[in-house]
Amino acid sequence: EVHLLESGGGLVQPGGSLRLSCAASGFTFSSYAMSWVRQAPGKGLEWVSSISSSGTTIYYADSVKGRFTISRDNSKNTVYLQINSLRAEDTALYYCAKGLCDTCTLTVFDIWGQGTMVTVSS
Amino acid sequence: QSGLTQPASVSGSPGQSITISCTGTSSDVGGYNYVSWYQQHPGKAPKLMIYDVSNRPSGVSNRFSGSKSGNTASLTISGLQAEDEADYYCSSYRSTSTVVFGGGTKLTVL
Repeated sequence: EVHLLESGGGLVQPGGSLRLSCAASGFTFSSYAMSWVRQAPGKGLEWVSSISSSGTTIYYADSVKGRFTISRDNSKNTVYLQINSLRAEDTALYYCAKGLCDTCTLTVFDIWGQGTMVTVSS
Repeated sequence: QSGLTQPASVSGSPGQSITISCTGTSSDVGGYNYVSWYQQHPGKAPKLMIYDVSNRPSGVSNRFSGSKSGNTASLTISGLQAEDEADYYCSSYRSTSTVVFGGGTKLTVL
């Protein structure tokens, strides 16, 4: 069964940092693009970042560019999101999502994890 | 640029059909056949229902269908069932090599 398990969320002060992880299982991780999508409490979905299967192509939303860094370790079946200079508006549930295919980096998210909550507050 | 525009809410009775619209621009919905639709029940992760405008993933009921005309995509649910009550989000690839979501539509089954 295909499964994504996020971790690393928590309460952090403004300006702080966190590293989110997403462990994948049940599929050939190295063959698929991966993404992070967030959802602020009571709000809609917001795409954050995506990374190609090899890790060579990376995309970011303007709202996080320069502060967030996506990466992956195909030997560990894990994708990461390093989030720095956190702001109150970054408070959200962060979902990890799998691309439907290798070339579906920015088009289709077919499997989602349950999310990890990031709360930015002093 | 802002996100895609969806109605805040729609409703229908069991057995009826409803359609949710998703309006963008020629830089996203109108320019590419990369529109997806996601269903989200309260407290749950989103679930892919339609991709590439009108394709259904394996396991998704054929009561769900998608289409597009110009800058507006649509999700139609026929034979409405109580379990269809959820939030629905559209998304599209955008020419700036980003992804844009709609604000979401709350579907109520009366």
